[in-house]
Amino acid sequence: SQKIEQNSEALNIQEGKTATLTCNYTNYSPAYLQWYRQDPGRGPVFLLLIRENEKEKRKERLKVTFDTTLKQSLFHITASQPADSATYLCALIHGSSNTGKLIFGQGTTLQVKP
Amino acid sequence: DTAVSQTPKYLVTQMGNDKSIKCEQNLGHDTMYWYKQDSKKFLKIMFSYNNKELIINETVPNRFSPKSPDKAHLNLHINSLELGDSAVYFCASSPWFGKIYEQYFGPGTRLTVT
Repeated sequence: SQKIEQNSEALNIQEGKTATLTCNYTNYSPAYLQWYRQDPGRGPVFLLLIRENEKEKRKERLKVTFDTTLKQSLFHITASQPADSATYLCALIHGSSNTGKLIFGQGTTLQVKP
Repeated sequence: DTAVSQTPKYLVTQMGNDKSIKCEQNLGHDTMYWYKQDSKKFLKIMFSYNNKELIINETVPNRFSPKSPDKAHLNLHINSLELGDSAVYFCASSPWFGKIYEQYFGPGTRLTVT
């Protein structure tokens, strides 16, 4: 069956450290993978998009990698701050889809402690 | 200015009632979506419209009916509400339904069916 999985356990790290979140998928061939941030009581906010032929994408303190062999994307936040505390969702678009249908993981909650 | 807005923010109603949720985007986008986020935080696509035309229609009970009067609005009408309909419903938009666009989410409508 098709699955997209993120670590359901919360990730707790100390301020200033690098946070690494994992997104694994099974039986999908994503052409694109996106990462979103969701704060409590709010809608998801787009962060980064990476294409299947890109290995890495960066934006300020954020970095995303995409390994189609391992079927995995990693999301890194360097020099993390308490304001980075939120739930992070990965989402993919299956390669055969031409409708823009996003399939989301269940998200990983990050807690950055001062 | 709010990019994607939804009303109401909270909706509490009894089983069997009919209710509507409204969504408007002022981004000039052609594509709009409805998502359902359940208590386990899974965000799942329900419908997508592109320029008032239905693009995505997931396996959703036909008690749910989307209506798009113009490309800036996508409303969701739910008939004969059931307890299992309790969730947060998010509206989103994107420039087009192609693969490479991020989606912009509204603040969500928390529906509670008692």
